Amino acid sequence: GAVVSQHPSRVICKSGTSVKIECRSLDFQATTMFWYRQFPKQSLMLMATSNEGSKATYEQGVEKDKFLINHASLTLSTLTVTSAHPEDSSFYICSASGRVSGANVLTFGAGSRLTVL
Amino acid sequence: LAKTTQPISMDSYEGQEVNITCSHNNIATNDYITWYQQFPSQGPRFIIQGYKTKVTNEVASLFIPADRKSSTLSLPRVSLSDTAVYYCLVGDYGGATNKLIFGTGTLLAVQP
Repeated sequence: GAVVSQHPSRVICKSGTSVKIECRSLDFQATTMFWYRQFPKQSLMLMATSNEGSKATYEQGVEKDKFLINHASLTLSTLTVTSAHPEDSSFYICSASGRVSGANVLTFGAGSRLTVL
Repeated sequence: LAKTTQPISMDSYEGQEVNITCSHNNIATNDYITWYQQFPSQGPRFIIQGYKTKVTNEVASLFIPADRKSSTLSLPRVSLSDTAVYYCLVGDYGGATNKLIFGTGTLLAVQP
């Protein structure tokens, strides 16, 4: 149990376009989802926290108009990188928090590699 | 949120036991300690979680002293496939503020 599916795993786009990344909890309801980005040889950096049905809470320095997060249901959160530029190229990872079999779990997706040309 | 400090890297050989220690001096009463493993271009994978004393599962053991200001992840008999980055995270795992902040992690390199 506690599987998180992230899609797409890899995306290449042109500068100026928008890219949407989906994060789904497959077998549990995720009350909270988190979005991270990771540059090569660096640790994961938390971008924002989203709760179902409410606005996301962004970490300091993360542009909310640049990185749009929607958490419309208890099993789906989306991250949209708007007007992407080469500096947005990174590895984006989501995680979902919820209760499975009476225990609190935090499970990560496989990540999405974004390359902006 | 409690900050964590780990060694940047460690080297080991196949078959050896590896212990990775993490410092978290300002851990809060409600905080749990969780360790994750990450391979290149993959999401972190849960290894083990604990609150105090010792926890053991099929892949690792976690030792937490009484003051909980540090913890040690123990990997028995490592293999080449255990080469990865290991992250120690501290947080209120199941509470309302359960976001986890990643530290630098420890790059474990296992050699033949």
